[in-house]
Amino acid sequence: AQKITQTQPGMFVQEKEAVTLDCTYDTSDPSYGLFWYKQPSSGEMIFLIYQGSYDQQNATEGRYSLNFQKARKSANLVISASQLGDSAMYFCAMRPTGTASKLTFGTGTRLQVTL
Amino acid sequence: KAGVTQTPRYLIKTRGQQVTLSCSPISGHRSVSWYQQTPGQGLQFLFEYFSETQRNKGNFPGRFSGRQFSNSRSEMNVSTLELGDSALYLCASQKGGTEEGYTFGSGTRLTVV
Repeated sequence: AQKITQTQPGMFVQEKEAVTLDCTYDTSDPSYGLFWYKQPSSGEMIFLIYQGSYDQQNATEGRYSLNFQKARKSANLVISASQLGDSAMYFCAMRPTGTASKLTFGTGTRLQVTL
Repeated sequence: KAGVTQTPRYLIKTRGQQVTLSCSPISGHRSVSWYQQTPGQGLQFLFEYFSETQRNKGNFPGRFSGRQFSNSRSEMNVSTLELGDSALYLCASQKGGTEEGYTFGSGTRLTVV
């Protein structure tokens, strides 16, 4: 079974600053993928970034980067140069590699970007 | 390209009724998954369909069912609705065979009164 832990229920960050959202995971699967999603108040889950467990380099997508530390089982999301539009819920999720498997989500972190 | 389309966006039903939700995946995507999101339980996996076959199922009672059609569109049905079924139901599509991100729809917000 997989478990995702997000220990920060809420975070505040000032516009243009960087922020790190924490995510730790637990799994016995040898190969897996880690995902981050953003959910604005509209409800849609927006895919941000993906990291495979065997990827040698940390994933980056524009202002998003994933700080992957496999030995510590952590996959923190770093958002650089925060914008007001970044205010939303952020979910970390994982899935074992292979077919017929599901995404397991954490409880989420609500990020508020302030002026 | 068109995203994942879920209909309806909002729905109000009475206890004991049944409901059908629809999801049209991105063109070319053959996998459709359904998730339930509630404040208390968070995001929970319901089931996944691939090429009209259910290939994974979450831990939900038999009142929750689904199907997928030959054009990859999927429906989920909840019978004998309970107050606790009030939730945001999210559908996600994926091409299949890739480890990249799933694309989610905007969800159907179901309220059971």
